[in-house]
Amino acid sequence: AQSVTQLGSHVSVSEGALVLLRCNYSSSVPPYLFWYVQYPNQGLQLLLKYTSAATLVKGINGFEAEFKKSETSFHLTKPSAHMSDAAEYFCAVSPRGNNDMRFGAGTRLTVKP
Amino acid sequence: NAGVMQNPRHLVRRRGQEARLRCSPMKGHSHVYWYRQLPEEGLKFMVYLQKENIIDESGMPKERFSAEFPKEGPSILRIQQVVRGDSAAYFCASSPMDIGGSTDTQYFGPGTRLTVL
Repeated sequence: AQSVTQLGSHVSVSEGALVLLRCNYSSSVPPYLFWYVQYPNQGLQLLLKYTSAATLVKGINGFEAEFKKSETSFHLTKPSAHMSDAAEYFCAVSPRGNNDMRFGAGTRLTVKP
Repeated sequence: NAGVMQNPRHLVRRRGQEARLRCSPMKGHSHVYWYRQLPEEGLKFMVYLQKENIIDESGMPKERFSAEFPKEGPSILRIQQVVRGDSAAYFCASSPMDIGGSTDTQYFGPGTRLTVL
């Protein structure tokens, strides 16, 4: 069975600072990995996904994530935080060839002016 | 191409009533998933359906909850005899037919926020 663990339920950064949201996965087969963002009172929007191509994946809004098999990690980063990045971020894992997806508990990002 | 549609967006029910949540997947998508999000918590998988079939319902409570995805029309998540603990946001997602394992992306609807009084 696959699962993800997001370290830190709340992360606060200053505007312009580096954003780092952590995600570690557990999967018995090579996984697909995803990051979704959820703004208040809205559904989830796909930020980026890893599907076995390049290990460094670039997504929307300047976010990127790096798949590190040796660390079983898929951390999300953005060089410079913007106020509009304040939201809830979810990491998710799905076994390849299977639509079964499991989400982490989420990390709430706060951006201070 | 319209996204995943869910209705109603907000639903208020009294204890003991029934709640019906609807989800229309994106055009061309044949897989539907339902998730529940409790306040301050992440998404919990409930059920995965394809047309006329329940593929995985391991996340569904054993009683009062049911889901269907008929040949025609939207997918329905039905909650009978609602209780206050059912108050949550319910999200539907859809994905296209699985071809070579490269279509695992799920696209989410805006959710239905159920409040049980």
